[in-house]
Amino acid sequence: RKEVEQDPGPFNVPEGATVAFNCTYSNSASQSFFWYRQDCRKEPKLLMSVYSSGNEDGRFTAQLNRASQYISLLIRDSKLSDSATYLCVVTLPSGGSYIPTFGRGTSLIVHP
Amino acid sequence: NAGVTQTPKFRILKIGQSMTLQCTQDMNHNYMYWYRQDPGMGLKLIYYSVGAGITDKGEVPNGYNVSRSTTEDFPLRLELAAPSQTSVYFCASSVDTPRETQYFGPGTRLLVL
Repeated sequence: RKEVEQDPGPFNVPEGATVAFNCTYSNSASQSFFWYRQDCRKEPKLLMSVYSSGNEDGRFTAQLNRASQYISLLIRDSKLSDSATYLCVVTLPSGGSYIPTFGRGTSLIVHP
Repeated sequence: NAGVTQTPKFRILKIGQSMTLQCTQDMNHNYMYWYRQDPGMGLKLIYYSVGAGITDKGEVPNGYNVSRSTTEDFPLRLELAAPSQTSVYFCASSVDTPRETQYFGPGTRLLVL
């Protein structure tokens, strides 16, 4: 089982739709959680951190479910500019430290 | 602030050649990372560093070497290039620990023929 798993998609949605992605992780000792956005042929950029109580930033809402070991990202009122790959990142314990581990990403295509 | 810069942007290598990918950050971050990203895949950690003089292996270190003589610079060395090392390489840094936001450079596209 992979340590961090995401459905690669693509998710193809119309403008204005609500779309949700999940990301599961295998190690219950995982400590920190993030969603990054990556545009085609560009570097990843932080979209938002994910906190235990859940957090919201405009149209984006992130949730953490430690019991079921997954995080989620909800995008409301999708825009054309939301088209990108969304990468889940989990910090996993490794030899006394924590190292970031990426999922393979979920592709989102928002069409007119 | 320039953030994280990487050179070169693109390089073609022949099998068996060597090269160094350069990475510099001007944010005084302690942690630095090297990743590779193959088509359609997530990023895989090659090496990371928690500060000058300290480096450690990530998930896929074979075929690579790193050094960290200063806070700013974290070069990645390929000694004997192989076709399997064809990939996009990203350098990143974070303030203190991996629990902090990572800032990425624009990447180096490497083709080994």
